Amino acid sequence: EVHLVESGGGLVQPGGSLRLSCAASGFTLNTYSMYWVRQAPGKGLEWVSSFSGSGYIYYLGSVKGRFTVSRDLATNTLYLQMDSLRPEDTGTYYCAKAGGLAILRNNWIGPWGQGTLVTVSS
Amino acid sequence: QSVVTQPPSASGTPGQRVTISCSGRNSNIGSNPVHWYQQLPGTAPKLLIYINDQRPSGVPDRFSGSQSGTSASLAISGLQFDDEADYYCATWDDSLSALVFGGGTKLTVL
Repeated sequence: EVHLVESGGGLVQPGGSLRLSCAASGFTLNTYSMYWVRQAPGKGLEWVSSFSGSGYIYYLGSVKGRFTVSRDLATNTLYLQMDSLRPEDTGTYYCAKAGGLAILRNNWIGPWGQGTLVTVSS
Repeated sequence: QSVVTQPPSASGTPGQRVTISCSGRNSNIGSNPVHWYQQLPGTAPKLLIYINDQRPSGVPDRFSGSQSGTSASLAISGLQFDDEADYYCATWDDSLSALVFGGGTKLTVL
C-alpha cells in the first residue's frame, strides 16, 4: 500500500528557508513521477513542481529559482527546498504520486499525502 | 487567473444530476487528458476521474467524465449529501510545461 508522509512545515519569516520532506513507502521514487501541490488558506489547488521518475523536473513559474526538488533513493524520500520565501507561499503543501507510468503530460495524480502547513509571516 | 476555468459553485438536490464544466485551450485540454479531484472539507484531495473518463477502483459509477475539444465536464448523478465538496479539474499545459488546475467548483447539496 502506498503511503506519503510530509513533514518540515512551520512558521518562517519572509526571505527565510524551509525544507519539506515526503517519506514514501509502497513504491520506489525512481519508478513513478512525483508532485508537490500547494493550497493557500481558503483557496484552490496550485501545482508547484513535478519530478519525473527519470529525473526531469518542472517548476511553477513563480517558484523557479527559489524552490528546488530533490530525492534520496536510499531513503525513498522526496524533498522540497524552499528559499527566499514570500508571504504568498503560505499554504498547505501536499506531496503526491503519479497514478500511472505514463509521461508527465499524460499522467495524473494518484495518492496524496496529508499535507504540511507552511506559514510565511513576520 | 487560472488558464483552465471552472464555475466557482454548483448546487443540486439529493437524487439530481449535476455537471461541472472545465474550459481550457488547445495547449492544455485540447492536447492532453483531463483529470478530476474531489476535496472534502478539511481533507487532502482524492482522485475521482483520470484520463477524461476513467474511474479508479472504489469510485462509484455515479461519477463520470467526458472531454471534447478544449472543454471537459464532470457529471454526478444520484446526488448525495456526502458529495458536498470542492471539485477540481487538472491537465498538463504544453505551452507552460506545467500542470494546471482549474479554480475549483464548490458543490452544495441542498
